[in-house]
Amino acid sequence: NAGVTQTPKFQVLKTGQSMTLQCAQDMNHNSMYWYRQDPGMGLRLIYYSASEGTTDKGEVPNGYNVSRLNKREFSLRLESAAPSQTSVYFCASRQSTGSEQFFGPGTRLTVL
Amino acid sequence: QKEVEQNSGPLSVPEGAIASLNCTYSDRGSQSFFWYRQYSGKSPELIMFIYSNGDKEDGRFTAQLNKASQYVSLLIRDSQPSDSATYLCAVNNPTGGTSYGKLTFGQGTILTVHP
Repeated sequence: NAGVTQTPKFQVLKTGQSMTLQCAQDMNHNSMYWYRQDPGMGLRLIYYSASEGTTDKGEVPNGYNVSRLNKREFSLRLESAAPSQTSVYFCASRQSTGSEQFFGPGTRLTVL
Repeated sequence: QKEVEQNSGPLSVPEGAIASLNCTYSDRGSQSFFWYRQYSGKSPELIMFIYSNGDKEDGRFTAQLNKASQYVSLLIRDSQPSDSATYLCAVNNPTGGTSYGKLTFGQGTILTVHP
């Protein structure tokens, strides 16, 4: 049981490049989330998916898109990366009837 | 005013002391409250959650909630060097409904426990 997995662990992009961050969970959770974490800022919600087939914007959605591919997978796409998107990205999942969010190991993204 | 605000750190306590971490929130409709611990370079992990006014104890950790004052705290008794981490307070966002589980996080407090 791997929990929440994220790929890649590290990535360096040039301004304007695109990439997709992958997230998968094997806990049969309904809800999934993408956060970014910047120094001194805590975690900020980018997008979330309450259940398969639905996605909604969080606090900081600009510059990102998401896809809930199936119940297990929730991807985050940067279409045209900007230096302001340099951050650590965490994916999380939650069983709708529970309370705890389980976090993946994170992706450390640098945009030059 | 930030939606969720934590006491500014870093906080440094000697081994064996009580560490007190505080968090205030702005939305009176908030329903559930979480404390996560995050070691440097790692992902957050849940250590406590609380829904009702009062205290909730789990081992060396006690969460305290006062909804009237919009205040939640975490006490760590008999602090150990292994407790050195960033502690994140998170509040359930009621506008999304409890079924969505949207959380708003504070900025975190860095705790250092020195031998």
